[in-house]
Amino acid sequence: EVQLVESGGGLVQPGGSLRLSCAASGFTFSSYWMHWVRRAPGKGLVWVSHIKGDGTNTNYADSVKGRFTISRDNAKNTLYLQMNSLSAEDTAMYYCASPLAVYGAFDIWGQGAMVIVSS
Amino acid sequence: DIVLTQSPGTLSLSPGERATLSCRASQSLSSNYLAWYQQKPGQAPRLLIYGASSRATGIPDRFSGSGSGTDFTLTISRLEPEDFAVYYCQQYVSSPRTFGQGTKVEIK
Repeated sequence: EVQLVESGGGLVQPGGSLRLSCAASGFTFSSYWMHWVRRAPGKGLVWVSHIKGDGTNTNYADSVKGRFTISRDNAKNTLYLQMNSLSAEDTAMYYCASPLAVYGAFDIWGQGAMVIVSS
Repeated sequence: DIVLTQSPGTLSLSPGERATLSCRASQSLSSNYLAWYQQKPGQAPRLLIYGASSRATGIPDRFSGSGSGTDFTLTISRLEPEDFAVYYCQQYVSSPRTFGQGTKVEIK
């Protein structure tokens, strides 16, 4: 079964750091681009970052550039999002997602990991 | 960045009615690289439509997508109780992969 499972969410103080993980199974992880998308409470979906299958190409939304780092370990079939200098505006449900069977569109999503930035 | 504007913000309809959701892009989307997603409370988004008009695997045929260039539409021909949710369009022509702000389809 194709599956993405996020972990690592939680409560963190402003200015703090957190690392999210997304464990993939059921497909050849190293062959696919992976993305992070977030949804703040009461707001819409916002694309955060992506990384190419071999890890050679990454990009970020302006709102997280310089603070967040996306990476992957293809030997462990795991995607990561290192989040530094967190602020209340980063409070959101974070989803990993990927275009597997369909070019470009995200046809597989994880269940999400909640990040709350608060003192 | 490509900006996607969805309208209306909220659609109040009854089961069995037809829903028409709009998504307008700030520039033409080559190859119609536009997708529609459905999201229900407490769930991850689900892909409905890709390439502006192709249904994803397992999506009922009451969902249809149309449009090209800058104007796109998601139509739900007859609303079922499980269709009341928030719907997002997304472009995958270029990075950042922007989403529209969403249209909430609520029970009237």
